[in-house]
Amino acid sequence: DGGITQSPKYLFRKEGQNVTLSCEQNLNHDAMYWYRQDPGQGLRLIYYSQIVNDFQKGDIAEGYSVSREKKESFPLTVTSAQKNPTAFYLCASSIVGEQYFGPGTRLTVT
Amino acid sequence: DQQVKQNSPSLSVQEGRISILNCDYTNSMFDYFLWYKKYPAEGPTFLISISSIKDKNEDGRFTVFLNKSAKHLSLHIVPSQPGDSAVYFCAAKAGGGNKLTFGTGTQLKVEL
Repeated sequence: DGGITQSPKYLFRKEGQNVTLSCEQNLNHDAMYWYRQDPGQGLRLIYYSQIVNDFQKGDIAEGYSVSREKKESFPLTVTSAQKNPTAFYLCASSIVGEQYFGPGTRLTVT
Repeated sequence: DQQVKQNSPSLSVQEGRISILNCDYTNSMFDYFLWYKKYPAEGPTFLISISSIKDKNEDGRFTVFLNKSAKHLSLHIVPSQPGDSAVYFCAAKAGGGNKLTFGTGTQLKVEL
């Protein structure tokens, strides 16, 4: 089946630790995106990549890093510099028009 | 600066009636608009879209209306069903790029 997978579904980390969220797609889409969702704030763009080996900061990139070494994969690292990392993280991909979303990862940092 | 606004955080409708979800935008460069539906702890799923060259697009029970002069769009769901209960996000993009700007969402509850 074609689609976007994110793993794990739930992730728990201690404050001060970096954590990497996985996102893989087999839709052959060039563009990939990372969003976070917080209650009452909708979806906010963290980073996006239009093509392999290239990515741009979104609206809230501070404390996050990404890589795009393969077309299929766009991992997101939440670093210890991110002040409020607890959130629901969503990965998406697109060619043109609509974006297709993965199931999300709930990250809890205590 | 919220360029896409959904001013109603929640909406409650009876089953079988019409649900109308509203969205306003401020960026006149937006030329393509989308609606997504999201259940808790899941990713959003695409519902319907509209280009700025149109003022209406219909897909089954879902119709999106665009009023460019007012910078306003709305999603009509008729008849509403209990399975429609979800958060609905409005999104917009400008030019040929793929970057979307999302609204804050409206929680729709369809009651029996």
